[in-house]
Amino acid sequence: QVQLVQSGSELKKPGASVKVSCKASGYTFTSYAMNWVRQAPGQGLEWMGWINTNTGNPTYAQGFTGRFVFSLDTSVSTAYLQISSLKAEDTAVYYCARDSRYSSGWYYWGQGTLVTVSS
Amino acid sequence: EIVLTQSPATLSLSPGERATLSCGASQSVSSSYLAWYQQKPGLAPRLLIYDASSRATGIPDRFSGSGSGTDFTLTISRLEPEDFAVYYCQQYRSFGQGTKLEIK
Repeated sequence: QVQLVQSGSELKKPGASVKVSCKASGYTFTSYAMNWVRQAPGQGLEWMGWINTNTGNPTYAQGFTGRFVFSLDTSVSTAYLQISSLKAEDTAVYYCARDSRYSSGWYYWGQGTLVTVSS
Repeated sequence: EIVLTQSPATLSLSPGERATLSCGASQSVSSSYLAWYQQKPGLAPRLLIYDASSRATGIPDRFSGSGSGTDFTLTISRLEPEDFAVYYCQQYRSFGQGTKLEIK
C-alpha cells in the first residue's frame, strides 16, 4: 500500500536550518510529483510548491522562494524540504502529499512534521 | 491565481442534521479539479471528494459534492459525531481557508 512517512518533529533556533524528509513506498516514486504544504498553528493549508520526481525540477509558490528548497533522493524514494535562516513564523506542520495524475485531490499525505522555531 | 472562499467560516450543527458547506472560486474552475478534504486535530487532511462530485475510496455515502463553474458545495446528509472537523476545498494547488464544523 502507498505510504508517505515523514521525519520527526524538530526544534530549531532562529537562523538555523532544517531538513524534513518524506519517504515514499508502495508505488514507483518517479511516477508522481510530490507537493509540500504548510500549516501554521491554528491556520489553514498553504501550498508551498511541488517537485517533479522524474526530473527533479522544483516549482515554488509565491512566498516560498529563496529560503525553501525541495530536493530528492530517488535511490531511496525520498523527497526533502530544506528551510534555511529559520524564523519564528516558520513554526508550522509541514506535509508532503503525492500528486494525482488524472484527477483532482491528493489521496496520499505524509503524517506531517512539526517544525518549531524558538530561541 | 484562483482564490477560493469558503463559507461559513464556522457551522454549528447537531448530530443527525444536514450540513451544507460552500466553496466559491474567484473565476470559473474546471469541475475536474475541485476537491474536498476533512481534517481533524493533529492529523493530515483526508481526501473526501475529488473532481467535484466523486467520493474517494472508503468515504461514506453521506458525503456528497456538487457544483460547477464558480460555486461548489459539500453536503453531509446526516451528521455523525466523527464528522465534526475542519473542511477544506482545493482547486489545483490552492486551498480555501476552511470551514469549521462544530457541535451545537
